Amino acid sequence: EIVMTQSPATLSVSPGERATLSCRASQSVGSNLAWYQQKPGRAPRLVIYGAATRATGIPARFSGSGSGTEFTLTISSLQSEDFAVYYCHQYSNWPRTFGQGTKVEIK
Amino acid sequence: QLQLQESGPGLVKPSETLSLTCTVSGGSVSSGDYYWGWIRQPPGKGLEWIVSFYYSGSAYSNPSLKSRVTTSVDTSKNQFSLKLSSVTAADTAVYYCARVTTVTPTPYYFDYWGQGALVTVSS
Repeated sequence: EIVMTQSPATLSVSPGERATLSCRASQSVGSNLAWYQQKPGRAPRLVIYGAATRATGIPARFSGSGSGTEFTLTISSLQSEDFAVYYCHQYSNWPRTFGQGTKVEIK
Repeated sequence: QLQLQESGPGLVKPSETLSLTCTVSGGSVSSGDYYWGWIRQPPGKGLEWIVSFYYSGSAYSNPSLKSRVTTSVDTSKNQFSLKLSSVTAADTAVYYCARVTTVTPTPYYFDYWGQGALVTVSS
């Protein structure tokens, strides 16, 4: 099983600042990585797939990068609606696995 | 716009079978372009993939749950279902149904999610 490790667990950022979230895979997943945003009491929402492609309706301030075992989600200028928990997800191998999440909170 | 909605009992007794149904609107469960899936989230914890399956029968399950998981599709009602047998308190979670984007023949990521259904396992 591929273990996905996200860091940091919590990221405190002021509105308008840049947020950088990391995700590391225990073995290569190529570019088969997605990011999801989850707000309290809501279902996850697809943000990035293919490591770097924004999903439909996702603002350009969200960008993804990386391949193999190291991935990054960057939010260039945090808006109030971006404060949430973000999960990475590998769909290269079975079983599909998720990271434990990074909470982006208001500083 | 595709929408998914989970339904089923919110309380299940230990050792019994958890049953959930996902009703799809704005799309067809028998579309050959997608798999369908279930993911769960224990209260205050992260996401766990349960199963991804095709309407005609092909399925991939999490080995940690595989022996207890059954899936089915009702194309006449545009629904798909999950059954999880022999439940314990550890199965208490919000259960999400989702559409799985597929690059034939492999299911990939989850692009549409239901709102989730909390299932509590307790006597």
